[in-house]
Amino acid sequence: LAKTTQPISMDSYEGQEVNITCSHNNIATNDYITWYQQFPSQGPRFIIQGYKTKVTNEVASLFIPADRKSSTLSLPRVSLSDTAVYYCLVAKDTGRRALTFGSGTRLQVQP
Amino acid sequence: ETGVTQSPTHLIKTRGQQVTLRCSSQSGHNTVSWYQQALGQGPQFIFQYYREEENGRGNFPPRFSGLQFPNYSSELNVNALELDDSALYLCASSLAMGTGGTNTEAFFGQGTRLTVV
Repeated sequence: LAKTTQPISMDSYEGQEVNITCSHNNIATNDYITWYQQFPSQGPRFIIQGYKTKVTNEVASLFIPADRKSSTLSLPRVSLSDTAVYYCLVAKDTGRRALTFGSGTRLQVQP
Repeated sequence: ETGVTQSPTHLIKTRGQQVTLRCSSQSGHNTVSWYQQALGQGPQFIFQYYREEENGRGNFPPRFSGLQFPNYSSELNVNALELDDSALYLCASSLAMGTGGTNTEAFFGQGTRLTVV
């Protein structure tokens, strides 16, 4: 399984754009990149998933360079409710496989 | 709302006891995975069930066991509870499309907070 590295914590202010970068140098050809969000005492919530280039949904954007060795989760105009832990995962077929979570990035949004 | 429900939400047990946690998967999903999350850490994979058969196991001792039922709901059983078993237990359901199928995502429940005293 490809190992991921992401910052332990980040701070931001309401209304700012937040970019969290994840490094996955050993990503395999069939691996997808998936980001989850987790609030305290709740289960992780799927945010976005991509394979290459750029993916955007109503919550976030995911930028993946051509070599796929890293990815960046972009949260536009964060609010206090975006304070959470964000996990980057790399896996082939996340519906069938065990997911390997690292320690994630703890995002603190200040007013 | 993910459609994945877990029960109970909180539980307190004494060391040495046994516990059963339950998970109702999202409608149409055939795969259930269980994770243990200690405070301040990411979830750790315990095992996965696909169509009622164990389909992979993480680094957990045999006293962690499970079942998946024909309706794809699942149970996690832990025997001889230890203090270190105190954690948030998460269930995730997904639809495994078979080999080479389209990639799908896993949806997590709210978890069961287990405290062993």
